[in-house]
Amino acid sequence: ETGVTQSPTHLIKTRGQQVTLRCSSQSGHNTVSWYQQALGQGPQFIFQYYREEENGRGNFPPRFSGLQFPNYSSELNVNALELDDSALYLCASSLTGSFAEAFFGQGTRLTVV
Amino acid sequence: AQRVTQPEKLLSVFKGAPVELKCNYSYSGSPELFWYVQYSRQRLQLLLRHISRESIKGFTADLNKGETSFHLKKPFAQEEDSAMYYCARGGQETSGSRLTFGEGTQLTVNP
Repeated sequence: ETGVTQSPTHLIKTRGQQVTLRCSSQSGHNTVSWYQQALGQGPQFIFQYYREEENGRGNFPPRFSGLQFPNYSSELNVNALELDDSALYLCASSLTGSFAEAFFGQGTRLTVV
Repeated sequence: AQRVTQPEKLLSVFKGAPVELKCNYSYSGSPELFWYVQYSRQRLQLLLRHISRESIKGFTADLNKGETSFHLKKPFAQEEDSAMYYCARGGQETSGSRLTFGEGTQLTVNP
């Protein structure tokens, strides 16, 4: 059984650019969520995908978008990057069920300059 | 909107002392509450969830609906308990991986 893996580990982008972050879910998990964690803050929910469809969204603008693929891997895309988008982006996968344990990846550190 | 509040950003205790990390949540229906922990250089991981009513690594947490609290407790802290602790609340949706987190409490257990 493999855990949740994210790529890349670190990334530096320029304001206005676009970025794609990737996540490979834990084996057997059909649900993936993305979180943004600013320095000194708790993770903030961006959105969730279940069986390739968006299944809930947090308070993030439309320039944050995502995809889930048939193998349950996922992408987070951010367009028109802003300086405030600099953060650690976490991916979490789980089975369905409201008490299902979320398994987190190690995160992608995005720096926007 | 669901809210989770952890009033202490930093908490420092001595080894062997009791420790309590506070968590309060905004009331809305039947809450699904969790404690997640992040040890140094490790990923965020589940410590315990209220529905399990279990003790993990000596930690317990009791859901108090009257006070809307879910404080994490351990009677005798150990140095290896030093970590960042996040209280989190599950949503009304089907999956527990949609979580609202508090800002976290950095616990330091001194020798």
